[in-house]
Amino acid sequence: DQQVKQNSPSLSVQEGRISILNCDYTNSMFDYFLWYKKYPAEGPTFLISISSIKDKNEDGRFTVFLNKSAKHLSLHIVPSQPGDSAVYFCAASDSGGYQKVTFGTGTKLQVIP
Amino acid sequence: DAMVIQNPRYQVTQFGKPVTLSCSQTLNHNVMYWYQQKSSQAPKLLFHYYDKDFNNEADTPDNFQSRRPNTSFCFLDIRSPGLGDAAMYLCATSRATSGNQHEQYFGPGTRLTVT
Repeated sequence: DQQVKQNSPSLSVQEGRISILNCDYTNSMFDYFLWYKKYPAEGPTFLISISSIKDKNEDGRFTVFLNKSAKHLSLHIVPSQPGDSAVYFCAASDSGGYQKVTFGTGTKLQVIP
Repeated sequence: DAMVIQNPRYQVTQFGKPVTLSCSQTLNHNVMYWYQQKSSQAPKLLFHYYDKDFNNEADTPDNFQSRRPNTSFCFLDIRSPGLGDAAMYLCATSRATSGNQHEQYFGPGTRLTVT
């Protein structure tokens, strides 16, 4: 049972435009959400996160939006740059003291120059 | 630079031949994790250590074992690798404090091939 779902395996966006990556979750106990970015031959690196007490968190070109009622979050990248081309993983955890994070299957973003 | 290091980056082993993957960290984080990731799938948590306390996921096969001799090092032992164990194995660390306790730092992974 996939508790964190990224239904789009891939996305292509023109340089300078907005990239929107989507993520849905099913576990209502999740209260902290993260996005990781992964380049080929490297491990995932933390990008941005959001707590369930917020509905938006912004860091430079990256903004994460959380819609708790819909159990949906999205990552917006604007403007998109060729260096943003990577696989983006959505992840979620609950703050029950356990350090476990559940990952989605990833969305491969290609930013076309 | 503080980091998570995995050796080797690529490992080939024979069916049934024990293999050990290693992970070290210079971040001084008290939590270390091992994930298995197969192509186009989500990283799957195998187990994690909170300091010396070992936490096994319920669906992790007995074929997989782990050791953490000290804060810096953690090993993944696969006792009898099968063809289905071919995957990327990712090691990660985190600092178990409030706030960013959910943020994990990953190594580059070890790609395991079973022949």
